[in-house]
Amino acid sequence: EAGVTQSPRYAVLQEGQAVSFWCDPISGHDTLYWYQQPRDQGPQLLVYFRDEAVIDNSQLPSDRFSAVRPKGTNSTLKIQSAKQGDTATYLCASSLTGGGDTQYFGPGTRLLVL
Amino acid sequence: GDSVTQTEGQVTVSESKSLIINCTYSATSIAYPNLFWYVRYPGEGLQLLLKVITAGQKGSSRGFEATYNKETTSFHLQKASVQESDSAVYYCALSDHVGFASALTFGSGTKVIVLP
Repeated sequence: EAGVTQSPRYAVLQEGQAVSFWCDPISGHDTLYWYQQPRDQGPQLLVYFRDEAVIDNSQLPSDRFSAVRPKGTNSTLKIQSAKQGDTATYLCASSLTGGGDTQYFGPGTRLLVL
Repeated sequence: GDSVTQTEGQVTVSESKSLIINCTYSATSIAYPNLFWYVRYPGEGLQLLLKVITAGQKGSSRGFEATYNKETTSFHLQKASVQESDSAVYYCALSDHVGFASALTFGSGTKVIVLP
């Protein structure tokens, strides 16, 4: 069974540039999560979906961040006008409702904003 | 909101010695959250080490154990004899499992260095 895949693995931007991250969850998993992990901190939830619906995006900086999961499978997280404070690893995870709350994580995308 | 506290940022221990990583939690939306330990080995992604969903129960995996203590709101991770391959970053987490899905709240992580 293939795990959660993410791309790109690394990104380096200047402040003000835009970037998109892509996530392909485990096949059949209905719930998809995006976390932000700054250096030396734990992952912090940005947004999560069940199928194509947003369940919680209260921690997503809505002025510059957006996330979609249009067909309830793959997802894209986009940062408009990146800031140095966005430097972090962006993790995607998926889970199956009724699967005991276990989330499976992708390898992450490491973002550096200069 | 919910929170998870790991007081040690880094722990260094010699091979074959015992290890304990402290974790305490606070869950405001539910009395008994699900509790997890995740681990990131060098060069690898975050993966589940163990989980316990019932207060008072113990979970175990790869020689590690953690007991869900609702009185002290703790979920410490222990191993009796560590190996060099246990060097990793360990994260304690909780989910409030409200509704049909819930996100994880993580601690800040504890980096474990096992010396040969």
